[in-house]
Amino acid sequence: EAGVAQSPRYKIIEKRQSVAFWCNPISGHATLYWYQQILGQGPKLLIQFQNNGVVDDSQLPKDRFSAERLKGVDSTLKIQPAKLEDSAVYLCASSSQMNTEAFFGQGTRLTVV
Amino acid sequence: GNSVTQMEGPVTLSEEAFLTINCTYTATGYPSLFWYVQYPGEGLQLLLKATKADDKGSNKGFEATYRKETTSFHLEKGSVQVSDSAVYFCALKGAESNYQLIWGAGTKLIIKP
Repeated sequence: EAGVAQSPRYKIIEKRQSVAFWCNPISGHATLYWYQQILGQGPKLLIQFQNNGVVDDSQLPKDRFSAERLKGVDSTLKIQPAKLEDSAVYLCASSSQMNTEAFFGQGTRLTVV
Repeated sequence: GNSVTQMEGPVTLSEEAFLTINCTYTATGYPSLFWYVQYPGEGLQLLLKATKADDKGSNKGFEATYRKETTSFHLEKGSVQVSDSAVYFCALKGAESNYQLIWGAGTKLIIKP
């Protein structure tokens, strides 16, 4: 069974530029999560989808971050414009249902310079 | 609300030593409990899980038992290897938190040969 796929693995951008990350969850998984992990810290939930609906986006900085999961399968997370403090690893995870274990992708390491 | 507390690191051990990483939680109801591991430069991997009281999760020589009476889920391994060096996160999922993963702060484990 294929795992959660994310791309790109690494991205370096200048501040005020925009960037997008892509995630393809495990086939059939209804729940998809985006997390931000700053070096040395635990993951912070940005947004949680159930199929193509948003369950929780309370910690998503909506003035600059957006995410969508239009067909209830893959998802994109966008940052526009980026700030230096957005430098982090962005992790995508999926679970078959909300109450089951989540499986994580390798993450995208973003560096904003 | 739900929360997870785990012992601070780093924890430094010699190869073949016995490992315990403490994890306690606060939650209403009956959450599911997880241990995730993060190797340097990689994403989070599910190490083991337990979904009800007295369940024991196990994988790769690691074990943890869901103790409702002490609200604990301590991670143990009888003989650690250098390759076990990583950051270990305790987490829970419960209905009260909308099935979001609630994370501990992570414990860095360093195994010396």
